[in-house]
Amino acid sequence: SQQGEEDPQALSIQEGENATMNCSYKTSINNLQWYRQNSGRGLVHLILIRSNEREKHSGRLRVTLDTSKKSSSLLITASRAADTASYFCATGLMEYGNKLVFGAGTILRVKS
Amino acid sequence: EAQVTQNPRYLITVTGKKLTVTCSQNMNHEYMSWYRQDPGLGLRQIYYSMNVEVTDKGDVPEGYKVSRKEKRNFPLILESPSPNQTSLYFCASSLWTSGLTYNEQFFGPGTRLTVL
Repeated sequence: SQQGEEDPQALSIQEGENATMNCSYKTSINNLQWYRQNSGRGLVHLILIRSNEREKHSGRLRVTLDTSKKSSSLLITASRAADTASYFCATGLMEYGNKLVFGAGTILRVKS
Repeated sequence: EAQVTQNPRYLITVTGKKLTVTCSQNMNHEYMSWYRQDPGLGLRQIYYSMNVEVTDKGDVPEGYKVSRKEKRNFPLILESPSPNQTSLYFCASSLWTSGLTYNEQFFGPGTRLTVL
């Protein structure tokens, strides 16, 4: 199974609402990253949080990391229709060069 | 503009006909990687390279080959494609510092491959 597993698989909200996506993983990590993918296109890096960090912000994005629970969450505040995309968490593993293991993703739909 | 390019973007081929998908990056990145994306499975790593002439298998390497003769290029070769290799393929690159995995990966636009 995937190292990272996102929850929920799909999320539909109204513009202006907040969207929260969760990611759980199994093994020890160096870092955890979140990526966005617009339909059928390449992934775009959103934010990286290191294993010794607990929270990180970037614009309307807030990421938390709880290594004791092996989980992370991505919060998008004041969502916009342009945030409609798939969101993936990717875990950077301790024992590999720059290996990232991706989850299956959360499909976010923001309705205007 | 810093980017990862892939060619072709779309390809329909038949079983057994050798093909190559090219990947090139202009950011002088050491690390390059190929992924395939299938519905419900996320991205799975096929092969990766930490520098010129240094390549290694990822999680799903069967049926694929790669080479890294130049730092900027990392082609993916399917010697004898089969229908189960129909997928969306992404190339990615990043900086790489020994012992650290704190670097974001930059992705190409993807290659949609159909093997009939």
